[in-house]
Parts: sequence; C-alpha cells; structure tokens
Amino acid sequence: QVQLVESGGGVVQPGRSLRLSCAASGFTFSSYGMHWVRQAPGKGLEWVAVISFDGSNTYYGDSVKGRFTISRDNSKNTLYLQMDSLRTEDTAVYYCAKTGSARACDYWGQGTLVTVSS
Amino acid sequence: DIVMTQSPDSLAVSLGERATINCKSTQSVLYSSNNKNYLAWYQQKPGQPPKLLIYWASTRESGVPDRFIGSGSGTDFTLTISSLQADDVAVYYCHQYYDTPWTFGQGTKVEIK
Repeated sequence: QVQLVESGGGVVQPGRSLRLSCAASGFTFSSYGMHWVRQAPGKGLEWVAVISFDGSNTYYGDSVKGRFTISRDNSKNTLYLQMDSLRTEDTAVYYCAKTGSARACDYWGQGTLVTVSS
Repeated sequence: DIVMTQSPDSLAVSLGERATINCKSTQSVLYSSNNKNYLAWYQQKPGQPPKLLIYWASTRESGVPDRFIGSGSGTDFTLTISSLQADDVAVYYCHQYYDTPWTFGQGTKVEIK
C-alpha cells in the first residue's frame, strides 16, 4: 500500500534553514508528480510546491517562491523540501502528497511539524 | 491566482439529514479540451491528513461511500452528504488543480446537530 513518511521537522529560529524529507513506498515513485502542502495550526490547507515525476518541472506558491526548493531523488524514492530564510509564518504541519492519475493529490503523509520561533 | 470560497464556514446537521457545502472559484476550472473540471473535495478529521473524496468535481475516489456526491461545473460546485453519519464529522475542503498555484477553499466544518 502507498506510504508517505515525512521527517525533518522541528523548531528553528527565524532566518535559518531546514530540510524536510518524504520517504515513499508502495508505488512507482518515479512515475508520479509530488507535492508539499502545509497547514498552520488551526488553519486551512495551503499548497506549497509541486515537482514533476522526473524533477524537470517545479512550481511554487507565492508565499514560498524564492525561499523554498522542492527536489526529489528517484533512486531513493524520496522527496525533499529545502526551506531557507524561514519566517514565523512558515510554522505549520508540512504534508507530502502524491499526484493521482486524475491529477488531484490522492495519498498524503501524516505530516511533520515545523515551528519557526526565536 | 484562483481563489476558492466555500460556504458556509460551518454547519450543524442532524444524523441522517443532508449536508450541503458550496464552493465557488474566481475563474473557471473547466478544461475545455477534455471537458473536465479540475476540482477536488477533501475530508480532514482532527489530527489526520486530508483524505481525497471526489475528483473531477463528481468522481468518487475508490472506497468513498456513495452518500458523498460532488456536482457543479465551471466556477460553482457543491459537495452533498446525502445522509449524515457520525463518522462524517470533519472539515471539508474544495481544491482546484486547474492551474498553479493550486489553491484550497478555507474549509467547512461539519458537525452533528
């Protein structure tokens, strides 16, 4: 069965960097686009970024463009999110999600919490 | 950016009654070349990730009970829970994947009256 397991979250000071990982299993990782979506405490869902199946195309939400970088290693079945110049408003649970055949995100991980605080 | 607006923000419905959630987008999410609406609905329970219920505006994901019904086209969409069950208490989000940046509605909280 499809499994997505995020890691790398924690507490970080404003302006610092953090890298999240998402280990995928149960499907052919190299065949699917992958997303990061975040959710601030008590708030709604915010799409962060997407990467194509082969890593050749990436797109970002306006609030993270220029600060976050999505990447993947298909040999390791792993998705990454490099987060630089972190701000307090980046505090959220970060989910990785798989693009389904119908293009909507069909499987989601349990999420990893990132807290940006001094 | 395409803005998704849901209504109401919350609703309380008696068990067995109908719950209706509306979602409106600021531009059409209907792709003319394949006549598909790039609109999905998710259910999120506390402490859990979102779960895909509906895609292409009206196609139920495998395993989703048939009491969940998606409808609409273009800019106006509806999620109907035909007979509310206790297990349906959750926040529901509409989501457009027509164009980047992908966007979500603000969520509708469904509770039991």
